[in-house]
Amino acid sequence: DAGVIQSPRHEVTEMGQEVTLRCKPISGHNSLFWYRQTMMRGLELLIYFNNNVPIDDSGMPEDRFSAKMPNASFSTLKIQPSEPRDSAVYFCASSPDRADQPQHFGDGTRLSIL
Amino acid sequence: QKEVEQDPGPLSVPEGAIVSLNCTYSNSAFQYFMWYRQYSRKGPELLMYTYSSGNKEDGRFTAQVDKSSKYISLFIRDSQPSDSATYLCAISNQGGKLIFGQGTELSVKP
Repeated sequence: DAGVIQSPRHEVTEMGQEVTLRCKPISGHNSLFWYRQTMMRGLELLIYFNNNVPIDDSGMPEDRFSAKMPNASFSTLKIQPSEPRDSAVYFCASSPDRADQPQHFGDGTRLSIL
Repeated sequence: QKEVEQDPGPLSVPEGAIVSLNCTYSNSAFQYFMWYRQYSRKGPELLMYTYSSGNKEDGRFTAQVDKSSKYISLFIRDSQPSDSATYLCAISNQGGKLIFGQGTELSVKP
């Protein structure tokens, strides 16, 4: 079975540009999560969806970040405008049902904002 | 105080050694305990999942949970160079979110 698929794997862009990260969860999984990983702060939950509905976005750092899940097989995380401090690895994960269940991660998008 | 504390290492051991990785947590309501392994430039992958005190074994890996001490451990027997990775503990309570430790970087030298 295909795992969680993220694109692009790498993104390098200039400050102020819009960045869109994409995720396809495992088929049949009802919960989807976006995380950010940095050396300083580790793995941080940004937002999670259950049945395509945002349940908790308390980890979204500021209004420049937005996430959508238009259907069960696709989600986006958008940063507009991007800043150098947004540079990190962004992971998408999915789980069969609840947020407290084991989650399956994609291989991440390595984002560099110059 | 962080909800989950994990020694970031790095930890370096010779091949064949027994490795012990540990996490402590502060909230006694936590009841689901997981260990993830993360290779360089890859996403975390689930290694072990347990929800009760005691030991759970899977091949060379043993997960141990001590709820009274709020302490969890992952033991790796006969460690191999292929075990070199970052290991993250993750803990949650029912209906809650996973809270990850900082991760321990392990290097197993041939």
